[in-house]
Amino acid sequence: DGGITQSPKYLFRKEGQNVTLSCEQNLNHDAMYWYRQDPGQGLRLIYYSQIVNDFQKGDIAEGYSVSREKKESFPLTVTSAQKNPTAFYLCASSPSASQGTEAFFGQGTRLTVV
Amino acid sequence: RKEVEQDPGPFNVPEGATVAFNCTYSNSASQSFFWYRQDCRKEPKLLMSVYSSGNEDGRFTAQLNRASQYISLLIRDSKLSDSATYLCVGNNAGNMLTFGGGTRLMVKP
Repeated sequence: DGGITQSPKYLFRKEGQNVTLSCEQNLNHDAMYWYRQDPGQGLRLIYYSQIVNDFQKGDIAEGYSVSREKKESFPLTVTSAQKNPTAFYLCASSPSASQGTEAFFGQGTRLTVV
Repeated sequence: RKEVEQDPGPFNVPEGATVAFNCTYSNSASQSFFWYRQDCRKEPKLLMSVYSSGNEDGRFTAQLNRASQYISLLIRDSKLSDSATYLCVGNNAGNMLTFGGGTRLMVKP
């Protein structure tokens, strides 16, 4: 089945640790995105990538890093520099870098700092 | 000012009611818009695309007003299962998706 897969679904992190969230898609989409959602809030863009080996900061990139070495994969690392990482993280992809293309979401990773 | 703004609600309506949400956008370069539905603790799912003057899908109608820079979502004959958060999304130049904060709808028996 085609789709976008995030793992793990739940993740617990100790303060001071880096963690990496996985996002894989087999939809052959060029563009991929990472969003953060806090309770009762909308989605905020962390990073996005329109093509392999290229990515851009979104509105809240501080404390996060990404890579886009393969078209299918766009992992997000939450570093110890992110002071308030507990949130729901959503990865999305869309077909191309042209306008008018909707995004499809993975099921999300719920990160909790313990 | 946020690029995409929505009334957070909640909108509490009885079953069978008609309810409308508005969403305003500030970037006049935005070319296409979407409405997503998000259930509690789940990922957003595409409800409707809004490309030109609007479109209709069953009980749902989306309208785009470029002059006033807003889009709307109308839900007729509300069902209990329509209870969710509705996210307005703009897709501007560069393919950046910009989300509104969402409008929460609660349909009650």
